[in-house]
Amino acid sequence: ETGVTQSPTHLIKTRGQQVTLRCSSQSGHNTVSWYQQALGQGPQFIFQYYREEENGRGNFPPRFSGLQFPNYSSELNVNALELDDSALYLCASSLEADDYLGANVLTFGAGSRLTVL
Amino acid sequence: DQQVKQNSPSLSVQEGRISILNCDYTNSMFDYFLWYKKYPAEGPTFLISISSIKDKNEDGRFTVFLNKSAKHLSLHIVPSQPGDSAVYFCAASAEDKIIFGKGTRLHILP
Repeated sequence: ETGVTQSPTHLIKTRGQQVTLRCSSQSGHNTVSWYQQALGQGPQFIFQYYREEENGRGNFPPRFSGLQFPNYSSELNVNALELDDSALYLCASSLEADDYLGANVLTFGAGSRLTVL
Repeated sequence: DQQVKQNSPSLSVQEGRISILNCDYTNSMFDYFLWYKKYPAEGPTFLISISSIKDKNEDGRFTVFLNKSAKHLSLHIVPSQPGDSAVYFCAASAEDKIIFGKGTRLHILP
């Protein structure tokens, strides 16, 4: 059973540029969530994708967008990068089932650390 | 608006003693509460959860207590071991969103 893998692990961009981060979900998982973790903070929910559609979004502007592919892998795109976008971006996958009422346990990747100069 | 608060940024505990990590929340609509543990250069890993209809859940050395009237939960680790040194995040779930606290760094002292 493979875990959640993210790429790249580190990258540096300049203000105004665009970035794409990638995530492969854990085998058997059908839902992917993205989180931003700034230094000294907890992970902040960006959005969640289920069945290739966004089904939940946190307090992030539209320049943060995403995709989920039929194989459940995912991308996070950020346009017009700002200095405050510097953070660790965490991808997490989980298994959503319509009849499951338990806790939504997320499996996280190690993250992509983005530095915006 | 911080819905999940961990007010202690760090905690040091002697090996073998009990570690107690605390968490407060503001949203009474949360239906599950979870604790995650994070080592450096790794993603958070799930530790234990509790439903809002329970007041205690135990898994080996880890026990989570929920006090709904006080909107407070705590994680007890006993006995504490060196491998427990990590950052612990409290999280709460509602409407397909999981909201995390800022974390508490636990140091287990030899």
